[in-house]
Amino acid sequence: QKEVEQDPGPLSVPEGAIVSLNCTYSNSAFQYFMWYRQYSRKGPELLMYTYSSGNKEDGRFTAQVDKSSKYISLFIRDSQPSDSATYLCAMSANQAGTALIFGKGTTLSVSS
Amino acid sequence: DGGITQSPKYLFRKEGQNVTLSCEQNLNHDAMYWYRQDPGQGLRLIYYSQIVNDFQKGDIAEGYSVSREKKESFPLTVTSAQKNPTAFYLCASSMSGTDTQYFGPGTRLTVL
Repeated sequence: QKEVEQDPGPLSVPEGAIVSLNCTYSNSAFQYFMWYRQYSRKGPELLMYTYSSGNKEDGRFTAQVDKSSKYISLFIRDSQPSDSATYLCAMSANQAGTALIFGKGTTLSVSS
Repeated sequence: DGGITQSPKYLFRKEGQNVTLSCEQNLNHDAMYWYRQDPGQGLRLIYYSQIVNDFQKGDIAEGYSVSREKKESFPLTVTSAQKNPTAFYLCASSMSGTDTQYFGPGTRLTVL
């Protein structure tokens, strides 16, 4: 079983839809969870950061962590064509500056 | 304007040649990382460095080498021993004691 599983998609939705992106993981030691957005041929940019379980909201974006199920989600409300990108989940067990474990990314396309 | 720069953006290399990818950051971050991204593979860690003059191998270090002589710089050399070097290479950095990584724009290397 891979450490982090993420459905690669592609996921296609109409403008204005609510999008749900998900990752599952196997390592119960993971405590820090991130979502990155990557546009084509660009570097990933940090979108959301969450520590342990719970929800975090930032504008149209909500990150949710359920450690009991080893499941994290990113919700995008009122999706826009500019949200079309690949979304990568990432996680780590500590803050020691060691490398993150990434999912393979989900490609999202929002049509106008 | 703080950030991470990578150069060149595109690089072409003949088989059997070594090539060095540049990564510079002015964020005063202690830790720096190199990842490789292939289609459908997600990000895989090549090398990382938590402090000047020290670095550790990641999951796929074979055929690569790095140096960390300055805090701001973490160049990656792709040697002729790397069997399949064509990929998108991403450099990242983070503050000491944190795991939130910030990425550069990437270098796309193509071996001809």
